[in-house]
Amino acid sequence: QQQVKQSPQSLIVQKGGISIINCAYENTAFDYFPWYQQFPGKGPALLIAIRPDVSEKKEGRFTISFNKSAKQFSLHIMDSQPGDSATYFCASLDTGRRALTFGSGTRLQVQP
Amino acid sequence: SQTIHQWPATLVQPVGSPLSLECTVEGTSNPNLYWYRQAAGRGLQLLFYSVGIGQISSEVPQNLSASRPQDRQFILSSKKLLLSDSGFYLCAWSVQGLAQYFGPGTRLLVL
Repeated sequence: QQQVKQSPQSLIVQKGGISIINCAYENTAFDYFPWYQQFPGKGPALLIAIRPDVSEKKEGRFTISFNKSAKQFSLHIMDSQPGDSATYFCASLDTGRRALTFGSGTRLQVQP
Repeated sequence: SQTIHQWPATLVQPVGSPLSLECTVEGTSNPNLYWYRQAAGRGLQLLFYSVGIGQISSEVPQNLSASRPQDRQFILSSKKLLLSDSGFYLCAWSVQGLAQYFGPGTRLLVL
């Protein structure tokens, strides 16, 4: 019930391409879905987040698509840049427990 | 603006030694505070969270403990470290329990 499944484990994209990372959850009590970006040796940084009352949220080159019925959400990075190379984590929050459950992470490499 | 500090940044400790990691938050009041552990190349595992002074919830049974002696201070401790305690320890804060913001982390190596 607490698991969040993230795919792919790693992703290689050419500069200017679109990076897509997918997550699926099981617990219907989850009601907040953030994405984090983490560079080696650093703490994760909040990138973008969505609540289940909307199907899409866009901030700059980053877009979250959310499918409540399928219990899936995804991160799209448009015009991917080498500086986007990092590990990305999806997460889901059960606001009743106040605890985030994280996916296993996707290592993104954007080749110049 | 809010900032979160963790220290030390890196720590090498022998098995069986005690541990104390500290986290402080500036620029906010009554935050929720969290301790996570991240194994190499893995996701984050929630260890403890706190919604107020002296209020600690434990997520995973282990030889670690947490304390919150002040509103913006969160401490992770152990009386005797195990090899399996090695990892990257991250403190995070949130207000109203939604967006969580992480500190720079402490890399712990137990030998």
